[in-house]
Amino acid sequence: DIQMTQFPSSLSASVGDRVTITCRASHDIDSYLGWFLQRPGQAPKSLIYAASSLQSGVPSKFSGSGSGTDFSLTIDSLQPEDFGTYYCQQYSDYPHTFGGGTKVEIK
Amino acid sequence: QVHIVQSGAEVKKPGASVKVSCKATGYTFKNFGIHWVRQAPGQRLEWMGWINAGNRNTKSAESFQDRLTISSDTSTTTAYMELRTLRSEDTAVYYCARSWVGLPIDYWGQGTLVTVSS
Repeated sequence: DIQMTQFPSSLSASVGDRVTITCRASHDIDSYLGWFLQRPGQAPKSLIYAASSLQSGVPSKFSGSGSGTDFSLTIDSLQPEDFGTYYCQQYSDYPHTFGGGTKVEIK
Repeated sequence: QVHIVQSGAEVKKPGASVKVSCKATGYTFKNFGIHWVRQAPGQRLEWMGWINAGNRNTKSAESFQDRLTISSDTSTTTAYMELRTLRSEDTAVYYCARSWVGLPIDYWGQGTLVTVSS
């Protein structure tokens, strides 16, 4: 199975901050990577597919980059609704494994 | 407007089976696939398997191979996940979610809590 590693596992940030989260794959996954946000007690929400393409309705403050094994998600001007846990997922090969998550908390 | 609604919470005893349903509306059901993802308390998301609603081909994580059945019914635009021989470690919220073939999940259901307890 392809292992997905995210770092940091958690971070504290203030409203208005710019934040970057990193995801690393154990094997080359080309650009077959998605990003998701899960707020406490809610189902995940899809943000990005193909490493850098925004899902429909997702604001441009979210941006993704990377290919191969190293990827990142950047969130500009953090707002209260952006706090929660972010997950990456590879869909290059089965099983479609998720990273361990990065919890973004309010400072 | 895409809408995915799952069946309600379940409490099961160890060794029993559970079947969760996932009703999808607002799009052409057979043109997409349905994934099943679970999340144990305080844990990461875990991908379980996927069904192509058009041809009913399935893929499952090997860790569930012998216990998991994913199915779909195009006449009712509903997908199902059945997990057998339940153990306490299967206590989790189970999500179904849609994706186009070859693309990741775009819409999620609300989740179904399955509790396994004697």
